[in-house]
Order: sequence, then C-alpha cells, then structure tokens
Amino acid sequence: DAKTTQPPSMDCAEGRAANLPCNHSTISGNEYVYWYRQIHSQGPQYIIHGLKNNETNEMASLIITEDRKSSTLILPHATLRDTAVYYCIVRALGAGNNRKLIWGLGTSLAVNP
Amino acid sequence: ETGVTQTPRHLVMGMTNKKSLKCEQHLGHNAMYWYKQSAKKPLELMFVYNFKEQTENNSVPSRFSPECPNSSHLFLHLHTLQPEDSALYLCASSQTTGPKNYGYTFGSGTRLTVV
Repeated sequence: DAKTTQPPSMDCAEGRAANLPCNHSTISGNEYVYWYRQIHSQGPQYIIHGLKNNETNEMASLIITEDRKSSTLILPHATLRDTAVYYCIVRALGAGNNRKLIWGLGTSLAVNP
Repeated sequence: ETGVTQTPRHLVMGMTNKKSLKCEQHLGHNAMYWYKQSAKKPLELMFVYNFKEQTENNSVPSRFSPECPNSSHLFLHLHTLQPEDSALYLCASSQTTGPKNYGYTFGSGTRLTVV
C-alpha cells in the first residue's frame, strides 16, 4: 500500500472549517483513501473513505484531486470535540492487504475556542 | 460504544505474570486484528484473523499469543513481557468480503503497563 504524508499538527478556530491535507503520490489505481481520527486514549474512529469521487457524510467531506495524488478532509464547522489525531491511509479492499498498511503519525488537530 | 469491546481498559502486570486481553465484536465482521500503539509511534499491526484462521503474524515475539475461538471473539495472551511492551493494545474488526468496505472498527483499547 502507498505511504501518505500529513502535516504533524494544525490549529483551527472553533466554528471554522478545518481542512486537513494528505499527500499520497504513489497511490495505486485500486487503492482507496481512508480517514480515521483518534481522540486521546481511544481507538481510531472511521470518518470517511473514497476512491476518486468526492464524498460527504454527516461527519466530514473528502476531496480527492483528479490525479488522486492528494486529498483533503474537511470538517465544515469544527468543534472542541474534533480535537484529535487524524490519520489518512490508503489501501486496497479485500483480505491480504493489511500487512502493507502504513498508518503514519497523522495530523494532530487542535480546535481552539 | 463502537461495536468492538475490549477488556480490561487498563492493565498493570509484572514481567513474570500471565494475563489475557479480550476483544468482542457484535458487528458480524469476518476479520479481527490486534494492533499495538506505543507512545509517539504509528499503529503496528500484530495479528490478523480471517474467519477464525490466523492469516498474518507480523513478526510478533512469542510472548504474545493470540487466540480466536470464533469470528466474534479474539484474545491476546501475554506472558513474560518486557517493559518496552507497555503500550495501548487495540483490537479491530472489519468485513473483508462483499461490495462495501468501511474499513476498520476499533475498540477503545487496553492500556498495558509492564513493571
């Protein structure tokens, strides 16, 4: 699976949009982009995933560039509870693709009052 | 509650103790995983079970012994651990077959301290 690159930390004002970037320039055609977040001392929580089209759910929006080499997770109205470490990973579906999964250190997002 | 339950939440054990971590999922997923998360380090995959069969062992020392009696339950048996094994141990499950795949569902983890 491809490796991803994320900034180590970001700040965002409460109520504003948080835009978290991720580079995955070596992504393969069958690999999806997944975003998770981990609030302190808890397990990671699934947020959203996509292949090439932009996606939106109740938590966030995912914008994937046309060449698929980068993506942005958007939290439209960040709250204090969105303070967490955000992980961007890429993986192909199906069993047997877990060993190569690389999580990285993610982006530590601090939402400030 | 995510649908994946881990017990205990916290565990302190001596290097000569034997203990077990338990994970249970009620999501009907066919695959279950153990991950280790040490401070300031990325998540490290330890073991993968698919339909109760171990499919991956990511070069984990033998002092960690997994057990998967059925698709809903996963254990990690611990013995003669070292202080550097202190970490957050996370269990996850996923559905690896079918048209949709929403990735992993993680439990809240067991914070293990080896003294």
